Amino acid sequence: KNEVEQSPQNLTAQEGEFITINCSYSVGISALHWLQQHPGGGIVSLFMLSSGKKKHGRLIATINIQEKHSSLHITASHPRDSAVYICAVRRAGNQFYFGTGTSLTVIP
Amino acid sequence: DVKVTQSSRYLVKRTGEKVFLECVQDMDHENMFWYRQDPGLGLRLIYFSYDVKMKEKGDIPEGYSVSREKKERFSLILESASTNQTSMYLCASSPGQIYGYTFGSGTRLTVV
Repeated sequence: KNEVEQSPQNLTAQEGEFITINCSYSVGISALHWLQQHPGGGIVSLFMLSSGKKKHGRLIATINIQEKHSSLHITASHPRDSAVYICAVRRAGNQFYFGTGTSLTVIP
Repeated sequence: DVKVTQSSRYLVKRTGEKVFLECVQDMDHENMFWYRQDPGLGLRLIYFSYDVKMKEKGDIPEGYSVSREKKERFSLILESASTNQTSMYLCASSPGQIYGYTFGSGTRLTVV
């Protein structure tokens, strides 16, 4: 069983919808990383957080350490948000463990 | 901005060939990592390095080796490529424990 579980695996939304992607993990962590991967493979860091909430533009990430859960929200979604969103958790040292990703498609 | 450069975007090699995947970062990062990404499995760590000439095995090191002769360059070597090593390979670097990763654009390797 993967230590990092994401849901849903696939998500299709209409442009303008509010989107939530969830990440649950089963071990103690020191930080959680949300990443975005566009078709073609390049991965971009969105947020790294260890508590509370972070916001950047239309993206909001929250984490609840006690519940071992994080969410990534996208407000007013747009077709350019279509990508795979990956959650990764850091345990000991500087290694991250990755979820399998959520594939988001936003339809105009 | 930190830049992590992987030498090839697409590579096709024959079974049994020795394959070198190169990764170079330009921001003096201590830590470098090699991952492979396969559908349904996410990113899996192959090898990582915390310093020059230092290397540690990740979760799936079998069939791979690495070299870090200079701080900015971390090479992944497939000693004798096999078809089950067909995958997307991603290099990442990080300046230290409180920071996240910066990824390269990936190398899609096909072994035929």
